[in-house]
Amino acid sequence: AQSVTQPDIHITVSEGASLELRCNYSYGATPYLFWYVQSPGQGLQLLLKYFSGDTLVQGIKGFEAEFKRSQSSFNLRKPSVHWSDAAEYFCAVGPPGGYQKVTFGTGTKLQVIP
Amino acid sequence: GAVVSQHPSRVICKSGTSVKIECRSLDFQATTMFWYRQFPKQSLMLMATSNEGSKATYEQGVEKDKFLINHASLTLSTLTVTSAHPEDSSFYICSARGSVADSSEQYFGPGTRLTVT
Repeated sequence: AQSVTQPDIHITVSEGASLELRCNYSYGATPYLFWYVQSPGQGLQLLLKYFSGDTLVQGIKGFEAEFKRSQSSFNLRKPSVHWSDAAEYFCAVGPPGGYQKVTFGTGTKLQVIP
Repeated sequence: GAVVSQHPSRVICKSGTSVKIECRSLDFQATTMFWYRQFPKQSLMLMATSNEGSKATYEQGVEKDKFLINHASLTLSTLTVTSAHPEDSSFYICSARGSVADSSEQYFGPGTRLTVT
């Protein structure tokens, strides 16, 4: 069975500082991996996804993530955080072939302080 | 980009009544729609997957008679919570996907906050 672990429930960073959100997955083969962002009371927006190829994936809003097979990780990074990045971030894993049965992590809430 | 809407955004109902939540794909045809439930400070739990014109596939532990899903058209799916109880209070989110052939992205609706009193 596929699963996702986001070890950090809550992270606080200063505006302008760099950010790394951790994500570890469990899956028998190379899965499809996603990062979503959810603003309060809103649905989810896809930041980026990894299917195959280059292990460093660029997404929207200046985010990137790196797939590391040996560590079963897909950490999300941003070099300089903006106050508008404060939100909840979800890592997700799905089986190869598409977006069926995507399993979400428990989320990391990001707080940005001035 | 593709837009998915949900209606209502918030609903309060009394225990024992039923409530219907609509999920619409506004600018694309959704062959598949997913319904999720999100508890406070928790992740999204997939409740069911519905394909247009066929019965929904429910995840283990989800009562199909309590959470009725209808996907009658390529742009509309509905979730009806029947005989609602306070423990059904939650944030319900739908997502929609277009063509299977290109494994196109899931687009999420803004969610519906259900409160059962």
